[in-house]
Amino acid sequence: GAGVSQSPSNKVTEKGKDVELRCDPISGHTALYWYRQRLGQGLEFLIYFQGNSAPDKSGLPSDRFSAERTGESVSTLTIQRTQQEDSAVYLCARKTEHGANVLTFGAGSRLTVL
Amino acid sequence: AQKVTQAQTEISVVEKEDVTLDCVYETRDTTYYLFWYKQPPSGELVFLIRRNSFDEQNEISGRYSWNFQKSTSSFNFTITASQVVDSAVYFCALSESAGSEKLVFGKGTKLTVNP
Repeated sequence: GAGVSQSPSNKVTEKGKDVELRCDPISGHTALYWYRQRLGQGLEFLIYFQGNSAPDKSGLPSDRFSAERTGESVSTLTIQRTQQEDSAVYLCARKTEHGANVLTFGAGSRLTVL
Repeated sequence: AQKVTQAQTEISVVEKEDVTLDCVYETRDTTYYLFWYKQPPSGELVFLIRRNSFDEQNEISGRYSWNFQKSTSSFNFTITASQVVDSAVYFCALSESAGSEKLVFGKGTKLTVNP
């Protein structure tokens, strides 16, 4: 999506391995969100960053999931000891100029856990 | 808790037909926002509209129109004279006006427009 780069675009891993997913929004956006979209499902909120702090991490499904953000810029979502149910597209989003609460999403990182 | 329900999982129409996608929401907030997003086969989400809870005026944009009814907690989306390019998954979403302002999404409606 415009102004949000995510990498890798595709990741295949074996069950039990750790993975890191990266989000790089264009500069000047203090709010950043991570969502998860399982196959055929809607988007599930994971975590919200305001600057480098995460005041809302209520959507993280377990303590295997963590995220950080540095320099009010790049964010990394880490999944430890991956499970097959972690297979999904992980989407990062930033707020846009369309008005309050409008998010623009990156293209996502598709994670497949074998 | 906030919740968005899109009861129609899949809809299939023939080109030029009109189609309405339903969205019902639940929230305890008095101020909130409602959204529609489109996810074409390419996968990238496209923002379509945002509606403030104070503004119940219906909106029309080309072949798209939206009907917001607070009394029934619904925010339905109509495509007039559908086209093949309208084929996509459409998501309705709700956000609080304060706090994290995160979006809560429905499960989506997959629309297929056949030629």
